[in-house]
Amino acid sequence: NAGVTQTPKFRVLKTGQSMTLLCAQDMNHEYMYWYRQDPGMGLRLIHYSVGEGTTAKGEVPDGYNVSRLKKQNFLLGLESAAPSQTSVYFCASSYSRAPYEQYFGPGTRLTVT
Amino acid sequence: AQKITQTQPGMFVQEKEAVTLDCTYDTSDPSYGLFWYKQPSSGEMIFLIYQGSYDQQNATEGRYSLNFQKARKSANLVISASQLGDSAMYFCAMRDAGRRALTFGSGTRLQVQP
Repeated sequence: NAGVTQTPKFRVLKTGQSMTLLCAQDMNHEYMYWYRQDPGMGLRLIHYSVGEGTTAKGEVPDGYNVSRLKKQNFLLGLESAAPSQTSVYFCASSYSRAPYEQYFGPGTRLTVT
Repeated sequence: AQKITQTQPGMFVQEKEAVTLDCTYDTSDPSYGLFWYKQPSSGEMIFLIYQGSYDQQNATEGRYSLNFQKARKSANLVISASQLGDSAMYFCAMRDAGRRALTFGSGTRLQVQP
């Protein structure tokens, strides 16, 4: 049981490049989330999904897109990377019932130069 | 809008002593959940403890307990008998009833000294 996995673990992009971060969970969770963590700060919600085929915006969605074509996968895309998107990205998943505890992936450290 | 406030950027505690990490929250939703996560230097987010807004008793998990004072809107984490391995960032978070997503505070860095 791998839990929540994220690919890749590290990435360096040049400004304007695009990339996709992959999150996979094997716990059959309905809900999935993408957060970003900037230095000295807590996590902020980018996008989330309450089920296969559905997505919604979080607090900081600009510059990102997401897709959830399969229940176990949640993809985060950066179409044109900017230095302000340098951050650590965390994926999380949870059941759709209380206590809604979220299980986090190990994170992806992204640097945009 | 929901808000979580952690007013202690850093804390020091001696090994084997207890420590309290403060967390206050603001929400207009009567149904909510409060969480504490630990983030060691390796970076992963580790779930510690949960308290539901309708729970009558304070939550406990081993050496962790949550001092929930609903009227004061506070949810402080108490770590008893601190260990060197407790040195980490600690985040308080609240679940939004609508989105089921978490709103995080800015964190408290705890350093346990031998």
